[in-house]
Amino acid sequence: GESVGLHLPTLSVQEGDNSIINCAYSNSASDYFIWYKQESGKGPQFIIDIRSNMDKRQGQRVTVLLNKTVKHLSLQIAATQPGDSAVYFCAEPQNYGGSQGNLIFGKGTKLSVKP
Amino acid sequence: DTGVSQDPRHKITKRGQNVTFRCDPISEHNRLYWYRQTLGQGPEFLTYFQNEAQLEKSRLLSDRFSAERPKGSFSTLEIQRTEQGDSAMYLCASSLDRAQFFGPGTRLTVL
Repeated sequence: GESVGLHLPTLSVQEGDNSIINCAYSNSASDYFIWYKQESGKGPQFIIDIRSNMDKRQGQRVTVLLNKTVKHLSLQIAATQPGDSAVYFCAEPQNYGGSQGNLIFGKGTKLSVKP
Repeated sequence: DTGVSQDPRHKITKRGQNVTFRCDPISEHNRLYWYRQTLGQGPEFLTYFQNEAQLEKSRLLSDRFSAERPKGSFSTLEIQRTEQGDSAMYLCASSLDRAQFFGPGTRLTVL
């Protein structure tokens, strides 16, 4: 069935280190994924997305890797800063094949950055 | 600010009262979504509009909930006869393609 989940509920890293947040999905037909950052009391903020015809996509200090063989994606944050402290969600559309359906979210990983 | 806006940001109401929330999407976005988020969980889909047409509703959207997008621009979400279980963050998102952009949310507390 459709599900998007996260391996670890919490992640604590030292400022300046790299962070890796993982996400597993169950449907091999999933063709699009989004990572969001949500700070306390705020709405989710779009970070980066990736389509299934790509294995890797880079943004500013962030990289998303997609492994379709094991149905896993990860968000890597380089040189983690205190401002990166937040809950990170991966999400995928419930409907596939280009339709504009609602997103299904995992429970989230809370990233804490120690100064 | 040209992002998604929501009003009010916080709402405290007594059980049994009606509440209405407003969402203004990013101006060129034709799709608008409502989600609900409870503490420690990811957002859960409620309903979705393409222009003024409401195309999908989730089973979470009981008959006490109604949403409109009368001119294909802003949208309202009304909850009638609120219950304590309705306490949550109500999020609005808009999109032009597959990427959805969220507003700041409306925090509802039902006493």
